[in-house]
Amino acid sequence: DQQVKQNSPSLSVQEGRISILNCDYTNSMFDYFLWYKKYPAEGPTFLISISSIKDKNEDGRFTVFLNKSAKHLSLHIVPSQPGDSAVYFCAASLRGNQFYFGTGTSLTVIP
Amino acid sequence: GAVVSQHPSRVICKSGTSVKIECRSLDFQATTMFWYRQFPKQSLMLMATSNEGSKATYEQGVEKDKFLINHASLTLSTLTVTSAHPEDSSFYICSASHRAEAFFGQGTRLTVV
Repeated sequence: DQQVKQNSPSLSVQEGRISILNCDYTNSMFDYFLWYKKYPAEGPTFLISISSIKDKNEDGRFTVFLNKSAKHLSLHIVPSQPGDSAVYFCAASLRGNQFYFGTGTSLTVIP
Repeated sequence: GAVVSQHPSRVICKSGTSVKIECRSLDFQATTMFWYRQFPKQSLMLMATSNEGSKATYEQGVEKDKFLINHASLTLSTLTVTSAHPEDSSFYICSASHRAEAFFGQGTRLTVV
């Protein structure tokens, strides 16, 4: 049973516009959420994270929003750049030990 | 942030041979490391959790005799794919958790011919 879901397998956005990637989870015990970016044939790299005690975390062009009541988090990229084109995974963690990944969303930023 | 080094990045081997992949935490001690496999166009699938000094915990459907995991020290975990077959060809990634954050190795592209 998939505990973390990314329902959009792909997303295309015009350069300069906002990219919004969504993620839903089922386990209310998750206490830490992360977003990873992955280029082909490379390992994922950490992008941004948020603790369950917060509802927003911002780092430059990247902002993660957490809605605990809806068990939903989203990643906003503003403004989107062609170099942002990659597969984005959201992940949820239980006490920092076990990580559960979504299936990924492939983002294409069109120049 | 913390660094996890995975080696080799690419390996081609003949069917029936064994391949060892190393995962090292360079600037922190990792009592727990995770091994993932990625299938084309799919998410990372957790294969096993590697615990220092004890046996690894394998996910359902993962053959423990085929994917041998050793975590002999706090900075090194190894995954050995034994008697490799073409269907084992994949991208393998390790990660280690440090202060509630996961850090990943660069991944290993295994091709079995």
